[in-house]
Amino acid sequence: DAKTTQPNSMESNEEEPVHLPCNHSTISGTDYIHWYRQLPSQGPEYVIHGLTSNVNNRMASLAIAEDRKSSTLILHRATLRDAAVYYCILGGGGANSKLTFGKGITLSVRP
Amino acid sequence: DVKVTQSSRYLVKRTGEKVFLECVQDMDHENMFWYRQDPGLGLRLIYFSYDVKMKEKGDIPEGYSVSREKKERFSLILESASTNQTSMYLCASSFGWTGELFFGEGSRLTVL
Repeated sequence: DAKTTQPNSMESNEEEPVHLPCNHSTISGTDYIHWYRQLPSQGPEYVIHGLTSNVNNRMASLAIAEDRKSSTLILHRATLRDAAVYYCILGGGGANSKLTFGKGITLSVRP
Repeated sequence: DVKVTQSSRYLVKRTGEKVFLECVQDMDHENMFWYRQDPGLGLRLIYFSYDVKMKEKGDIPEGYSVSREKKERFSLILESASTNQTSMYLCASSFGWTGELFFGEGSRLTVL
């Protein structure tokens, strides 16, 4: 299974943009890139996913490198509620394709 | 609202007991998953199921089994609980293989 590499932690200031990087140099052609986040004392929640093109939704944007070996989750204006563990995951490329979570990156937001 | 419900938020069991963790989803999803989460290790996949009566091993299946007799229900079974199975257990479901995973709130199991 292809793996992802994320920094352990990142800090940001409230109302500023946040760029969370993810490396996935062994990504296969059918792997989607997924991002989830986990708020304290809750189960993970879906943020965004994409295959090749950049994606936007109400929560965030996903920028995917042209060679697909890295991606960046962009939170346009961080709020205190965005403080969470963010997971970058590969998968969903076919039947029985499982999503394997790593340790994620812990985002802290300063007021 | 979509919902994944785990039967117990907190359980305390003794070593050697048989433990059942139940998960029910109301979204008619084909795929269901069991993860465990431990500090410093992130989420690790135990088992998943892509159809009724079908199951696949995840990354850490040892010491666990699962049952999926109905589409909406996926049970995780610890045949003989051990202290190293003390953990947070998370159930999830999804429709298709590129779709969003929906997680339950988790079941925190303590084995004494």
